[in-house]
Amino acid sequence: DVKVTQSSRYLVKRTGEKVFLECVQDMDHENMFWYRQDPGLGLRLIYFSYDVKMKEKGDIPEGYSVSREKKERFSLILESASTNQTSMYLCASTEGLLGANVLTFGAGSRLTVL
Amino acid sequence: DAKTTQPPSMDCAEGRAANLPCNHSTISGNEYVYWYRQIHSQGPQYIIHGLKNNETNEMASLIITEDRKSSTLILPHATLRDTAVYYCIALYGGSQGNLIFGKGTKLSVKP
Repeated sequence: DVKVTQSSRYLVKRTGEKVFLECVQDMDHENMFWYRQDPGLGLRLIYFSYDVKMKEKGDIPEGYSVSREKKERFSLILESASTNQTSMYLCASTEGLLGANVLTFGAGSRLTVL
Repeated sequence: DAKTTQPPSMDCAEGRAANLPCNHSTISGNEYVYWYRQIHSQGPQYIIHGLKNNETNEMASLIITEDRKSSTLILPHATLRDTAVYYCIALYGGSQGNLIFGKGTKLSVKP
């Protein structure tokens, strides 16, 4: 089974801090994604990457950046955390385009910004 | 991607089959139907997906109507650990990952 591992399950940070959320997948998948999930808003796509060093903006990229230096690792960076970035962050990966392929999620990282 | 409609909640007795319906009346020919579930405070877990034919795996069965306007997820012998929110998603085959999770169905399996 594909494993998508997110480095931190729970984080508490202060406003203005730089935050790194790390995600690693072990199945050589091409595509990796970062979502955030908020009550009443569902999942929203922040960024995705379809290859090493490649990235594409999703629906809500403002306030975030990403890094993909190696195929298995996709990092989400909050340059200066704000309280409205308190959320559950979900990393996912898939081999190719969705449809015939399955998106596999990590366990999630719950970030609280004080 | 087509919009999907699910009942907000359902109950099921432990050991019985859970049948979760989903309407996707505007689905197009190249949109897949996916089912995921999410247990509180965890990431969504893939269950099953299909295009036209019924599908079965070790977790569940997916029944898609002939006109593809609706589908049913069947958990054949529900256990307490199947209590979760279940999401039905219609997704274009060439999509790059913009899954739109609606509100889903909160399934409560009771002893």
